[in-house]
Amino acid sequence: NAGVTQTPKFRILKIGQSMTLQCTQDMNHNYMYWYRQDPGMGLKLIYYSVGAGITDKGEVPNGYNVSRSTTEDFPLRLELAAPSQTSVYFCASSYSEGDHNEQFFGPGTRLTVL
Amino acid sequence: AQSVAQPEDQVNVAEGNPLTVKCTYSVSGNPYLFWYVQYPNRGLQFLLKYITGDNLVKGSYGFEAEFNKSQTSFHLKKPSALVSDSALYFCAVRFRGFKTIFGAGTRLFVKA
Repeated sequence: NAGVTQTPKFRILKIGQSMTLQCTQDMNHNYMYWYRQDPGMGLKLIYYSVGAGITDKGEVPNGYNVSRSTTEDFPLRLELAAPSQTSVYFCASSYSEGDHNEQFFGPGTRLTVL
Repeated sequence: AQSVAQPEDQVNVAEGNPLTVKCTYSVSGNPYLFWYVQYPNRGLQFLLKYITGDNLVKGSYGFEAEFNKSQTSFHLKKPSALVSDSALYFCAVRFRGFKTIFGAGTRLFVKA
């Protein structure tokens, strides 16, 4: 199993540009998440999904959109990039049964907006 | 407000010595508690979790954590630190379904 994969690993955007961060998992997990990690701030939840076709906002959803057309894929869309979106983005997934299941994280995408 | 605190930004320990990374939380109800580790340029990896039962939980790489309900703490411990344990450690609390709160992280530095 590849686990959770993310592309790209690095990206530099200009203010106002758009991009999609890709996330795929091959563990048949129903739950998927997008986090951003800022220095000294831990992880903040952007969006999550409990299954194909179902998504909801997390703590910091402004400026982002998601879709979940399949169990495997959970792309994150930035429509109008802003410097405040400079961060490291992590996709994660977990089993659907029970609140006690740990999350599996991808390697991250380092995004810089200039 | 629900919160997770890791009071130390960095913990320094000599190789072979015991280590402790602290975590306290403020969450209503009975949350599930987790520790994750992050190596440079990598995603977080699960170390261990507390669900119920024995307050001492054992996890990967020789790590263990002690749950203390009265002090609302979940400190990570290891009897003998290795240089390869140097990394960023995150405490996390999960409650109300799938919402998880992460601490800000503690950087562990093990000196040879």
